[in-house]
Amino acid sequence: DGGITQSPKYLFRKEGQNVTLSCEQNLNHDAMYWYRQDPGQGLRLIYYSQIVNDFQKGDIAEGYSVSREKKESFPLTVTSAQKNPTAFYLCASSRVTDTQYFGPGTRLTVL
Amino acid sequence: GESVGLHLPTLSVQEGDNSIINCAYSNSASDYFIWYKQESGKGPQFIIDIRSNMDKRQGQRVTVLLNKTVKHLSLQIAATQPGDSAVYFCAENSGGSNYKLTFGKGTLLTVNP
Repeated sequence: DGGITQSPKYLFRKEGQNVTLSCEQNLNHDAMYWYRQDPGQGLRLIYYSQIVNDFQKGDIAEGYSVSREKKESFPLTVTSAQKNPTAFYLCASSRVTDTQYFGPGTRLTVL
Repeated sequence: GESVGLHLPTLSVQEGDNSIINCAYSNSASDYFIWYKQESGKGPQFIIDIRSNMDKRQGQRVTVLLNKTVKHLSLQIAATQPGDSAVYFCAENSGGSNYKLTFGKGTLLTVNP
């Protein structure tokens, strides 16, 4: 069964903690992306990766970090430097110049 | 103090009617456009896309129209069903890079049985 999986579905973070969101795809896509979604706003790009071992900052990268050690995986770490991390986080993947397909999302809440 | 609510445009239709959802895009250099459907608490689902060398594309019960002159995109859903109730948003590859899409805020479609 092909697709994009994200875990966990819900995540709670205490202030000062770093947390890592998982994103895995078995679509053999080269590119992967992380977006943040807030109520009433369009999706905003955090980081993207066109190929293994390479990634670029998106529009709102401050307070986040990523790695791309494997083609299938693109984990996102929300660091304590991110002052307003409560949001719905979406991972996507695509072939090089094709449509982006999204995972089911992780809802992060700061306690 | 009073908080400002962030309200999406809404469209309410009767089951069986046709729905038209509109999107104004921002960059005249954009050459690829996508419509997504997002149900509450779920990730966006691809519906249909169109490239700038076309002005119309049809899928199953959906049609996308592109008017480059006025930078306008529309999604038509035929015979709307209750399962079509969701937020619909458009995306454009601003500046021609498919890696960096610009997303609209979306329209909430409610289908009344």
